Order: sequence, then structure tokens, then C-alpha cells
Amino acid sequence: AQKITQTQPGMFVQEKEAVTLDCTYDTSDQSYGLFWYKQPSSGEMIFLIYQGSYDEQNATEGRYSLNFQKARKSANLVISASQLGDSAMYFCAMREGQDSGYALNFGKGTSLLVTP
Amino acid sequence: DTGVSQDPRHKITKRGQNVTFRCDPISEHNRLYWYRQTLGQGPEFLTYFQNEAQLEKSRLLSDRFSAERPKGSFSTLEIQRTEQGDSAMYLCASSQEGWRASNGYTFGSGTRLTVV
Repeated sequence: AQKITQTQPGMFVQEKEAVTLDCTYDTSDQSYGLFWYKQPSSGEMIFLIYQGSYDEQNATEGRYSLNFQKARKSANLVISASQLGDSAMYFCAMREGQDSGYALNFGKGTSLLVTP
Repeated sequence: DTGVSQDPRHKITKRGQNVTFRCDPISEHNRLYWYRQTLGQGPEFLTYFQNEAQLEKSRLLSDRFSAERPKGSFSTLEIQRTEQGDSAMYLCASSQEGWRASNGYTFGSGTRLTVV
């Protein structure tokens, strides 16, 4: 069975600074995919970044990068140059197998507050 | 295409009443997922459809929960005899078989249910 762990319930960062949100995972699958989503107070889940287990390079999408350490089973999200609009809940997720149609298995999330 | 639409956005109901939520996925997406998100938790997978077939429903929370996707387009989630513990955000997501990770899953804004 898969497990996603996010140990930081809440984080603060000052505007324009970088912040790292932690995510560790456990799976017996050799091939897997990891996602990060942002959920603002409006409720929708916004896709940020994806890392495949066989991807040789860490994923990057604009100000978002994923620090993927496969041996340590960690997939931390790094947000550079934080903006006030980055204040939201952030969820790490892993894609499940074919039986569930590759549904996502989410962690509990980290609440990020960006301060001026 | 305007993305995944969910209706209503908010629903307040009395304990014991039945409620039904609707999800309209992205038109070319053949997979549709339902999740429940309680306060302080990540979304929890409930069920999914591939076209009109419900291929995984063992994770629906009880036999009071049911879902349909009659023509492979929109879907409904019904909760019968609601209980206070059903109060949560219900999220719908869609994807296309053979998806690319960069835009694999699109989520709706959710329906927030409050049972009083």
C-alpha cells in the first residue's frame, strides 16, 4: 500500500524568499508518479508539478521545482521567490495503480502563508 | 472548454435527507473521479468511472453513497440519509486515458456539504 507523509502542518515564508515543503512517500511499486497540487481557499486543486520515478532530472515548472531523492523516498517542493498569492494549502500526491484508474493518493497537506 | 464544473458549490441539508451532487468533466476526458476532503485532510478517493462504467467503487464510504455516469458524460454522487459526519468537500476530477502528466488531472472547485 502507498503512503504519503507531509509532516509540516503549517509554514511561514516572507515574500520573495524561497520555501521548501516536505513530502515523503512509501510504495512497493518500481514505477510511480508524484504530484504537487495547490489548493487556495476557493477549493479547486491546481496542478503544480510532476515527477516520474524514472525521470533522471528533477522536475521544474517556473518558480516550482521538485527535489526528488529516490533513495530517501522524498519529493520536496521548492517554491522560489514566494509571492503573496502563493498562500494556500499544498498537497503531495502519488498516482495509484490501474485498479483505481490511476487515482491520486494525497498527503494531509501543508498550509503555506506568505507574509509581506 | 471551461474545465470541470461542479454543482452546487455549497449545500446545507438536515440530517437524514438525501443529497445529490453533479460533476461535468472536460468533454474529451473519459475518466472521472470522486474524492471527499474533510477538514484538515487531503482528498480521499471514493470511486471512478471510465466512460459510463464504474470500475472501482469499493472505497465508497458506505452503502449510503452511490454514483452514476449514465452516458459517459456528467456524473452524479448521491448520499442517502445524510449524517453529520458526511460534512465535507466533495471534489470531482477528470482525466483522459493515455494522459500526459503535465495536464493529467483536472479538478473542479468542489461541493461543500454541511449536514445540520
